[in-house]
Amino acid sequence: GQQVQQSPASLVLQEGENAELQCNFSSTATRLQWFYQRPGGSLVSLLSNPSGTKHTGRLTSTTVTKERRGSLHISSSQITDSGTYLCAMAPGANTGKLTFGHGTILRVHP
Amino acid sequence: EAAVTQSPRNKVAVTGGKVTLSCNQTNNHNNMYWYRQDTGHGLRLIHYSYGAGSTEKGDIPDGYKASRPSQENFSLILELATPSQTSVYFCASGDAGATQYFGPGTRLLVL
Repeated sequence: GQQVQQSPASLVLQEGENAELQCNFSSTATRLQWFYQRPGGSLVSLLSNPSGTKHTGRLTSTTVTKERRGSLHISSSQITDSGTYLCAMAPGANTGKLTFGHGTILRVHP
Repeated sequence: EAAVTQSPRNKVAVTGGKVTLSCNQTNNHNNMYWYRQDTGHGLRLIHYSYGAGSTEKGDIPDGYKASRPSQENFSLILELATPSQTSVYFCASGDAGATQYFGPGTRLLVL
């Protein structure tokens, strides 16, 4: 079945540093969606894009569908960015089904 | 912003008992999804639905049934709960090709 690999598994930053999270998937995807999750919390959608680059605030998502990879760039990290970042790929447009990676745990220290 | 609610938020069940998890969405999305999240496995899709009256098997449907009686409501049913079904369950809604919105989750403990 489809697989989604995220790296790194965990990342520790000083406040103000930038982060680059990677996502690789094993089969053709129609889009990637990035989510944020606090410990014990629900998933919050950050960005969703089929290909190319998309920005919101300090977040930039880049998807290269034909190379089966994507990334999430977080600029000028803040302590409140700490949590788990999940990448999910949609293998087809019709069903809306998502296959998730295991996530990257980000800790931002002052 | 899509609103997805789940009930109960926490549930303790006994092995062999029946458990029903409920989900309600108010954004008129056609598609709804049930996932479970476990350490080491991430989120996995159990069942999903394209609309009222429709249910489809996801990647791990064994031991679960689903019911979509209306556009707004989607239930996950464990007819005979087992300890291996202890998990956090998330419901989500969203139209095909669009962002999915998640509910707050239900923590289920099967003793």
